[in-house]
Amino acid sequence: DTGVSQDPRHKITKRGQNVTFRCDPISEHNRLYWYRQTLGQGPEFLTYFQNEAQLEKSRLLSDRFSAERPKGSFSTLEIQRTEQGDSAMYLCASSPSGSQSGGQFFGPGTRLTVL
Amino acid sequence: DQQVKQNSPSLSVQEGRISILNCDYTNSMFDYFLWYKKYPAEGPTFLISISSIKDKNEDGRFTVFLNKSAKHLSLHIVPSQPGDSAVYFCAASDVRGANSKLTFGKGITLSVRP
Repeated sequence: DTGVSQDPRHKITKRGQNVTFRCDPISEHNRLYWYRQTLGQGPEFLTYFQNEAQLEKSRLLSDRFSAERPKGSFSTLEIQRTEQGDSAMYLCASSPSGSQSGGQFFGPGTRLTVL
Repeated sequence: DQQVKQNSPSLSVQEGRISILNCDYTNSMFDYFLWYKKYPAEGPTFLISISSIKDKNEDGRFTVFLNKSAKHLSLHIVPSQPGDSAVYFCAASDVRGANSKLTFGKGITLSVRP
């Protein structure tokens, strides 16, 4: 296990369609995070999990967005009825829960384009 | 409402010289600060962090300075190398530390000229 992986790396969809992204964290990490990054901006926090429990959700995460981590390992982020404003890079990160000094380890991201 | 501000969008320095990247924050609840580096088509990579109880943390060529009263931190890279050319993000979290919600700045694009 060399790092956080995300699938797919790119997704093009039409407005109104549903999309689902997957994130596989580093295996020993029990915390998993989702961020969104648009052009010219830094990553914006969406939500994070400790094991299977969703600990915090941003107000950015509208009702059309849902994230799950059913077995405390991989996570999925689903966007329903996509809008053009959802076009962004969706980043996943993981970390251990105990360490306060280390950073979160990011995956390469899934780039979503909504036509 | 930008709580973490990186006001200079870009910086260009000569190889071997010092790079100084600045970051300001407005939220007094921030207690922990991190710098990330990002290359194109890759996710951000953690560089260095600092807790609010310190004013300096050093790791090899990278040093982060924190001025809590001014709500300002800076990343020094000495000496700068062409491979340091990337986008650098400043990030902050509250007392929960690095393994909770991070708030990022917009990033600074560093170019190191050979």
